[in-house]
Amino acid sequence: GDSVTQMEGPVTLSEEAFLTINCTYTATGYPSLFWYVQYPGEGLQLLLKATKADDKGSNKGFEATYRKETTSFHLEKGSVQVSDSAVYFCALSVRLYAGGTSYGKLTFGQGTILTVHP
Amino acid sequence: DAGVTQSPTHLIKTRGQQVTLRCSPKSGHDTVSWYQQALGQGPQFIFQYYEEEERQRGNFPDRFSGHQFPNYSSELNVNALLLGDSALYLCASSPIAGGFREQYFGPGTRLTVT
Repeated sequence: GDSVTQMEGPVTLSEEAFLTINCTYTATGYPSLFWYVQYPGEGLQLLLKATKADDKGSNKGFEATYRKETTSFHLEKGSVQVSDSAVYFCALSVRLYAGGTSYGKLTFGQGTILTVHP
Repeated sequence: DAGVTQSPTHLIKTRGQQVTLRCSPKSGHDTVSWYQQALGQGPQFIFQYYEEEERQRGNFPDRFSGHQFPNYSSELNVNALLLGDSALYLCASSPIAGGFREQYFGPGTRLTVT
């Protein structure tokens, strides 16, 4: 089946440090890849996405590149801020077709807690 | 433009009881998915509704059931509650037209079973 593995956390950084959160995946088909972020007490927000190999998703200074050869989608940010403190989830979705319509469900990693200190 | 809304925000139930959670999708979205997020874990897919029918289901028992209404809103019902059902229940919506797109999540309903 489909699965996502994220690096063990939590991750603690000082403000302006470089961030990398590793994510690798196993998929039965050709997946779309996502990073979601969850702030304390809130639901999930889509951070960025990539739908095919070598695509780079980017948003709010975060970026991740879809690497099919290494089945990876690592999240990076050059200079983190205190406001980036949150839980980050890597996820995939494989499109399924039925009755002329396509569907997808998200499969998530276990999440990585990021804490940024001033 | 209203995003995905869920009600109630918090809920406390006793083992063996039944619960109903509600979700209104983002404007323009017609597909609703439900996820269960246990404390410290990633969300797990429960099921997905489109055109008032369950289209996909994750590895959850029949105690978990759902419904989608003509206005695309949805309910999640859980019968015979167990302590292990305590979790954050997330609703996500997406537009089905043109195929699958990314899902937008609501703030969730925190269910506590005592």
